[in-house]
Amino acid sequence: DTGVSQDPRHKITKRGQNVTFRCDPISEHNRLYWYRQTLGQGPEFLTYFQNEAQLEKSRLLSDRFSAERPKGSFSTLEIQRTEQGDSAMYLCASSSTGTRNSPLHFGNGTRLTVT
Amino acid sequence: QKEVEQNSGPLSVPEGAIASLNCTYSDRGSQSFFWYRQYSGKSPELIMSIYSNGDKEDGRFTAQLNKASQYVSLLIRDSQPSDSATYLCAVTSSGGSYIPTFGRGTSLIVHP
Repeated sequence: DTGVSQDPRHKITKRGQNVTFRCDPISEHNRLYWYRQTLGQGPEFLTYFQNEAQLEKSRLLSDRFSAERPKGSFSTLEIQRTEQGDSAMYLCASSSTGTRNSPLHFGNGTRLTVT
Repeated sequence: QKEVEQNSGPLSVPEGAIASLNCTYSDRGSQSFFWYRQYSGKSPELIMSIYSNGDKEDGRFTAQLNKASQYVSLLIRDSQPSDSATYLCAVTSSGGSYIPTFGRGTSLIVHP
Protein backbone atom coordinates (compact mmCIF):
# COMPACT_ATOMS: atom_id res chain seq x y z
CA ASP A 1 0.00 0.00 0.00
CA THR A 2 1.83 3.07 -1.26
CA GLY A 3 -1.02 5.45 -0.49
CA VAL A 4 -2.79 7.95 -2.71
CA SER A 5 -0.40 10.02 -4.80
CA GLN A 6 -1.13 13.44 -6.28
CA ASP A 7 0.88 15.51 -8.70
CA PRO A 8 1.87 18.30 -8.68
CA ARG A 9 1.97 19.34 -5.03
CA HIS A 10 1.77 22.99 -5.93
CA LYS A 11 0.66 24.83 -9.06
CA ILE A 12 0.76 28.55 -9.70
CA THR A 13 -0.96 29.73 -12.84
CA LYS A 14 -2.23 32.90 -14.37
CA ARG A 15 -5.92 33.58 -14.72
CA GLY A 16 -7.29 32.17 -17.96
CA GLN A 17 -4.79 29.33 -18.24
CA ASN A 18 -5.73 25.64 -18.15
CA VAL A 19 -4.34 23.31 -15.50
CA THR A 20 -4.42 19.54 -15.08
CA PHE A 21 -3.87 17.54 -11.91
CA ARG A 22 -3.19 13.84 -11.58
CA CYS A 23 -4.18 11.35 -8.89
CA ASP A 24 -2.99 7.77 -8.47
CA PRO A 25 -5.23 5.93 -5.99
CA ILE A 26 -4.35 2.98 -3.80
CA SER A 27 -4.08 0.16 -6.31
CA GLU A 28 -6.88 -2.08 -5.06
CA HIS A 29 -9.35 0.78 -4.54
CA ASN A 30 -12.10 1.00 -7.13
CA ARG A 31 -13.61 4.31 -5.96
CA LEU A 32 -11.88 7.64 -6.53
CA TYR A 33 -13.07 11.02 -5.31
CA TRP A 34 -12.09 14.62 -5.96
CA TYR A 35 -12.70 17.26 -3.31
CA ARG A 36 -11.78 20.93 -3.08
CA GLN A 37 -10.86 22.67 0.16
CA THR A 38 -10.43 26.36 0.87
CA LEU A 39 -9.01 27.93 4.01
CA GLY A 40 -11.23 27.45 7.04
CA GLN A 41 -13.61 25.11 5.27
CA GLY A 42 -14.04 21.38 5.11
CA PRO A 43 -13.47 19.42 1.90
CA GLU A 44 -16.19 20.06 -0.67
CA PHE A 45 -17.22 17.18 -2.94
CA LEU A 46 -16.57 17.65 -6.66
CA THR A 47 -16.96 14.27 -8.34
CA TYR A 48 -16.32 10.56 -7.97
CA PHE A 49 -15.60 7.49 -10.06
CA GLN A 50 -16.29 3.84 -9.58
CA ASN A 51 -13.72 2.12 -11.75
CA GLU A 52 -13.72 4.13 -14.99
CA ALA A 53 -17.30 5.39 -14.68
CA GLN A 54 -17.90 8.91 -13.40
CA LEU A 55 -21.03 8.34 -11.32
CA GLU A 56 -21.74 11.72 -9.79
CA LYS A 57 -20.73 15.36 -10.13
CA SER A 58 -21.49 18.14 -7.70
CA ARG A 59 -24.05 20.66 -8.90
CA LEU A 60 -21.54 23.29 -7.81
CA LEU A 61 -19.01 22.01 -10.34
CA SER A 62 -18.57 24.50 -13.14
CA ASP A 63 -18.46 23.25 -16.74
CA ARG A 64 -14.87 24.50 -16.79
CA PHE A 65 -14.02 21.46 -14.66
CA SER A 66 -13.65 18.02 -16.18
CA ALA A 67 -12.38 14.77 -14.75
CA GLU A 68 -11.42 11.46 -16.27
CA ARG A 69 -10.34 8.08 -15.03
CA PRO A 70 -9.28 6.06 -18.07
CA LYS A 71 -9.15 2.31 -17.50
CA GLY A 72 -10.18 2.78 -13.89
CA SER A 73 -6.66 3.53 -12.73
CA PHE A 74 -5.29 7.06 -12.30
CA SER A 75 -7.51 10.11 -12.65
CA THR A 76 -7.01 13.61 -13.99
CA LEU A 77 -8.85 16.79 -13.08
CA GLU A 78 -8.65 19.63 -15.60
CA ILE A 79 -9.70 23.21 -14.98
CA GLN A 80 -10.08 25.34 -18.07
CA ARG A 81 -9.86 29.15 -18.12
CA THR A 82 -8.88 29.33 -14.48
CA GLU A 83 -10.28 32.08 -12.27
CA GLN A 84 -8.94 33.47 -9.00
CA GLY A 85 -11.83 31.77 -7.21
CA ASP A 86 -10.41 28.42 -8.27
CA SER A 87 -7.50 28.89 -5.87
CA ALA A 88 -7.80 26.05 -3.36
CA MET A 89 -6.38 22.72 -2.27
CA TYR A 90 -7.60 19.94 -4.56
CA LEU A 91 -7.78 16.65 -2.72
CA CYS A 92 -8.03 13.21 -4.23
CA ALA A 93 -9.18 10.25 -2.16
CA SER A 94 -9.87 6.60 -2.80
CA SER A 95 -11.81 3.86 -1.06
CA SER A 96 -11.86 0.12 -1.35
CA THR A 97 -15.54 -0.61 -1.91
CA GLY A 98 -18.82 1.09 -2.53
CA THR A 99 -20.35 0.06 0.76
CA ARG A 100 -21.39 2.50 3.39
CA ASN A 101 -18.51 1.51 5.65
CA SER A 102 -15.62 2.55 3.44
CA PRO A 103 -13.54 5.45 4.75
CA LEU A 104 -11.66 7.67 2.33
CA HIS A 105 -7.88 7.69 2.10
CA PHE A 106 -6.59 11.07 0.99
CA GLY A 107 -3.57 12.05 -1.02
CA ASN A 108 -1.40 15.01 -0.06
CA GLY A 109 -3.36 17.35 -2.28
CA THR A 110 -2.50 19.82 -5.03
CA ARG A 111 -2.48 23.44 -3.95
CA LEU A 112 -3.57 25.71 -6.81
CA THR A 113 -2.89 29.43 -6.81
CA VAL A 114 -4.40 31.50 -9.60
CA THR A 115 -2.82 34.95 -9.98
CA GLN B 1 -28.96 20.03 1.04
CA LYS B 2 -27.33 17.53 3.38
CA GLU B 3 -25.44 19.42 6.04
CA VAL B 4 -22.83 18.59 8.61
CA GLU B 5 -22.31 21.22 11.28
CA GLN B 6 -19.31 21.73 13.50
CA ASN B 7 -18.26 24.61 15.73
CA SER B 8 -15.18 26.08 14.06
CA GLY B 9 -13.54 26.86 17.42
CA PRO B 10 -10.81 27.17 18.34
CA LEU B 11 -11.29 24.82 21.25
CA SER B 12 -8.45 25.32 23.69
CA VAL B 13 -7.68 22.71 26.36
CA PRO B 14 -4.71 22.19 28.68
CA GLU B 15 -2.39 19.26 28.19
CA GLY B 16 -3.75 16.15 29.86
CA ALA B 17 -7.39 17.27 29.72
CA ILE B 18 -10.26 15.72 27.77
CA ALA B 19 -11.15 17.45 24.51
CA SER B 20 -14.74 17.08 23.35
CA LEU B 21 -15.56 17.74 19.71
CA ASN B 22 -19.12 17.76 18.44
CA CYS B 23 -20.89 17.35 15.12
CA THR B 24 -24.54 17.38 14.04
CA TYR B 25 -25.94 16.29 10.70
CA SER B 26 -29.18 16.90 8.85
CA ASP B 27 -29.75 13.68 6.88
CA ARG B 28 -31.61 11.30 9.18
CA GLY B 29 -30.79 8.41 6.87
CA SER B 30 -27.02 8.86 7.22
CA GLN B 31 -25.28 5.57 7.81
CA SER B 32 -21.55 6.01 8.40
CA PHE B 33 -19.66 8.58 10.41
CA PHE B 34 -15.98 9.41 10.36
CA TRP B 35 -13.57 11.65 12.20
CA TYR B 36 -10.51 12.94 10.37
CA ARG B 37 -7.59 14.92 11.73
CA GLN B 38 -5.99 17.57 9.54
CA TYR B 39 -2.76 19.34 10.43
CA SER B 40 -2.18 22.76 8.92
CA GLY B 41 -1.21 22.46 5.27
CA LYS B 42 -1.68 18.69 5.24
CA SER B 43 -4.43 16.39 4.02
CA PRO B 44 -7.05 14.75 6.26
CA GLU B 45 -6.18 11.44 7.92
CA LEU B 46 -8.74 9.03 9.32
CA ILE B 47 -8.92 8.71 13.10
CA MET B 48 -12.16 6.89 13.81
CA SER B 49 -15.21 5.48 12.10
CA ILE B 50 -18.53 4.62 13.77
CA TYR B 51 -21.67 3.09 12.35
CA SER B 52 -23.91 2.12 15.28
CA ASN B 53 -25.36 4.03 18.18
CA GLY B 54 -23.17 4.11 21.26
CA ASP B 55 -19.49 4.50 21.96
CA LYS B 56 -16.44 3.19 20.14
CA GLU B 57 -13.02 3.45 21.74
CA ASP B 58 -9.58 3.34 20.12
CA GLY B 59 -6.71 4.25 22.39
CA ARG B 60 -7.16 7.81 23.62
CA PHE B 61 -10.03 8.42 21.20
CA THR B 62 -13.72 7.67 21.75
CA ALA B 63 -16.38 8.29 19.14
CA GLN B 64 -19.99 8.58 20.27
CA LEU B 65 -23.02 8.31 17.99
CA ASN B 66 -26.66 9.17 18.72
CA LYS B 67 -28.72 8.74 15.56
CA ALA B 68 -31.97 9.83 17.24
CA SER B 69 -30.39 13.19 18.05
CA GLN B 70 -28.36 13.22 14.81
CA TYR B 71 -25.24 13.85 16.81
CA VAL B 72 -21.74 12.42 16.73
CA SER B 73 -18.85 13.38 18.97
CA LEU B 74 -15.16 12.67 19.45
CA LEU B 75 -13.50 12.61 22.85
CA ILE B 76 -9.74 12.83 23.14
CA ARG B 77 -8.43 11.79 26.54
CA ASP B 78 -5.08 12.90 27.94
CA SER B 79 -4.78 15.54 25.23
CA GLN B 80 -1.26 16.23 23.97
CA PRO B 81 0.14 19.29 22.15
CA SER B 82 0.58 17.00 19.14
CA ASP B 83 -3.21 16.64 19.03
CA SER B 84 -3.45 20.31 18.03
CA ALA B 85 -5.09 20.19 14.61
CA THR B 86 -8.41 20.63 12.86
CA TYR B 87 -10.85 17.76 13.34
CA LEU B 88 -13.25 17.08 10.51
CA CYS B 89 -16.52 15.23 10.88
CA ALA B 90 -17.69 13.36 7.77
CA VAL B 91 -21.06 11.72 7.24
CA THR B 92 -21.95 9.31 4.48
CA SER B 93 -25.20 10.12 2.78
CA SER B 94 -28.16 7.85 2.31
CA GLY B 95 -29.49 7.12 -1.15
CA GLY B 96 -26.91 4.73 -2.52
CA SER B 97 -23.96 6.87 -3.56
CA TYR B 98 -22.30 6.89 -0.12
CA ILE B 99 -20.45 10.15 -0.77
CA PRO B 100 -19.04 11.58 2.47
CA THR B 101 -20.08 15.13 3.33
CA PHE B 102 -17.63 17.01 5.53
CA GLY B 103 -18.18 19.64 8.17
CA ARG B 104 -15.98 22.73 8.24
CA GLY B 105 -13.91 21.28 11.06
CA THR B 106 -13.12 22.28 14.62
CA SER B 107 -9.70 23.70 15.43
CA LEU B 108 -8.25 22.16 18.60
CA ILE B 109 -5.39 23.76 20.49
CA VAL B 110 -3.75 21.81 23.31
CA HIS B 111 -1.52 24.09 25.36
CA PRO B 112 1.25 22.83 27.65
